[in-house]
Amino acid sequence: DIVMTQSPDSLAVSLGERATINCKSSQSVLYSSNNKNYLAWYQQRPGQPPKLLIDWASTRESGVPDRFSGSGSGTDFTLTISGLQAEDVAVYYCQQYYSSPFTFGPGTKLDIK
Amino acid sequence: EVQVVESGGGLVQPGGSLRLSCAASEFTLSTYAMSWVRQAPGKGLEWVSVICGSDGIAYYADSVRGRFTISRDNSRNTLYLQMNSLRAEDTAVYYCARGGGTGCNVALDNWGQGTLVTVSS
Repeated sequence: DIVMTQSPDSLAVSLGERATINCKSSQSVLYSSNNKNYLAWYQQRPGQPPKLLIDWASTRESGVPDRFSGSGSGTDFTLTISGLQAEDVAVYYCQQYYSSPFTFGPGTKLDIK
Repeated sequence: EVQVVESGGGLVQPGGSLRLSCAASEFTLSTYAMSWVRQAPGKGLEWVSVICGSDGIAYYADSVRGRFTISRDNSRNTLYLQMNSLRAEDTAVYYCARGGGTGCNVALDNWGQGTLVTVSS
């Protein structure tokens, strides 16, 4: 099974500043035949179900603000939130969908400083 | 509006069974991969199972394989999760989620509000 890890466990960032969350997979999630990384990022606000922000490591879903961006390839990935807003307070999860079981990372809790 | 709505959660004794349902609206469930994801109280997300849209093949997490069965009723446009031999550690909110395509290897682009399953005597 592919093990997903995230860092940090939690972070607090001032409004308008940048937040960076890292995700690492125990093996590559890059499929060489199509050069796609099978990696997604989700946001879960308190009391809400998760929401897909980014798939294929860097493709933002429709309606997701452009302050959210994803990068990385292979085993190392980053979610960046530029210009933090109050509504970005949430737990963020990465997930690999390269191979079953489609494991999630443990989550990173983001708060306002 | 594309929507999935879970139902069927509740309190069940250890060793008991429960069947969760997920009704899909505004899309044809059989043409998408559909997953169950759970979240124990105060914990992170745990992927449970998927049924692929194209061929109906199912996959399971090790923690539920042999006890849980995912299925779908195309005529009702509904997804199910049959849960047998339930344990205390199965206590969680269970989310139904649509995959972003037909194949299994897709992100989950539409989630329900979840249904709570409590396993306790």
